[in-house]
Amino acid sequence: DVKVTQSSRYLVKRTGEKVFLECVQDMDHENMFWYRQDPGLGLRLIYFSYDVKMKEKGDIPEGYSVSREKKERFSLILESASTNQTSMYLCASRPQGSYEQYFGPGTRLTVT
Amino acid sequence: AQKITQTQPGMFVQEKEAVTLDCTYDTSDQSYGLFWYKQPSSGEMIFLIYQGSYDEQNATEGRYSLNFQKARKSANLVISASQLGDSAMYFCAMRETNQAGTALIFGKGTTLSVSS
Repeated sequence: DVKVTQSSRYLVKRTGEKVFLECVQDMDHENMFWYRQDPGLGLRLIYFSYDVKMKEKGDIPEGYSVSREKKERFSLILESASTNQTSMYLCASRPQGSYEQYFGPGTRLTVT
Repeated sequence: AQKITQTQPGMFVQEKEAVTLDCTYDTSDQSYGLFWYKQPSSGEMIFLIYQGSYDEQNATEGRYSLNFQKARKSANLVISASQLGDSAMYFCAMRETNQAGTALIFGKGTTLSVSS
C-alpha cells in the first residue's frame, strides 16, 4: 500500500515563527503536492513538485515556500507564520503516468 | 480557467437510500479527468472513482457510480444503498495540466449525512 505520512497531526505555533511541515512518501512517486483546506473553500493547491529540486506554484503560494531535496520528502515552509495560515494542510503524491493522488492524514495547524 | 462547482453544501439521506451528489465543471481542454474523493471526520482523503473525458462508459466502483454527462459538463456521484459509514465530506476534482505537470483542482465539497 502507498503510504504518505506527515510529521504532525496537530501543530500550534505563534505568529512570526518559522514553521516546517514535512511530508514523506514511500512509493518512489515523482510528483508531490501541498494543499490547504478551509471550510467552505475546499482544497486549494499551494505548491507542487514533479521532481527533486523542482517546484511549481499553485493557486495560493503567497506566504509559503517548499523544498524537495530528496524524492521521498516534500517540505512546506511558512517563513513567518500568520493567523490567516491557520488551516488543515494536506500533502499528496502521485506516480508519473497515473492520475490518482494519494493523500497523507493532514496536519491541522493553528497559529496564535 | 478550469473550475469545479459543487452546489450542495449538505445532503441528508436515510440508510439504504440512493443519493446523488452534484458536480459541474468548466474546462476548455479536450482531454481531462474527473475524480471523487471522500473525507471522513478523521481527515484522510479517500479516492473513490475516476472518469476520463474519452471514456465511453460511466465509471463504477462497487456502490459508487459516476453519472458523466459531457455535453452538460456534469459528473455527479451516485451512491446506491447508503450506509452510516458513508457520512463524510465528498469532493469532486478535475485534473489540470499545464506545462509543468498535472495537479488537481477541487470543488468546495458536499457534506453527506446518513441516518438510520
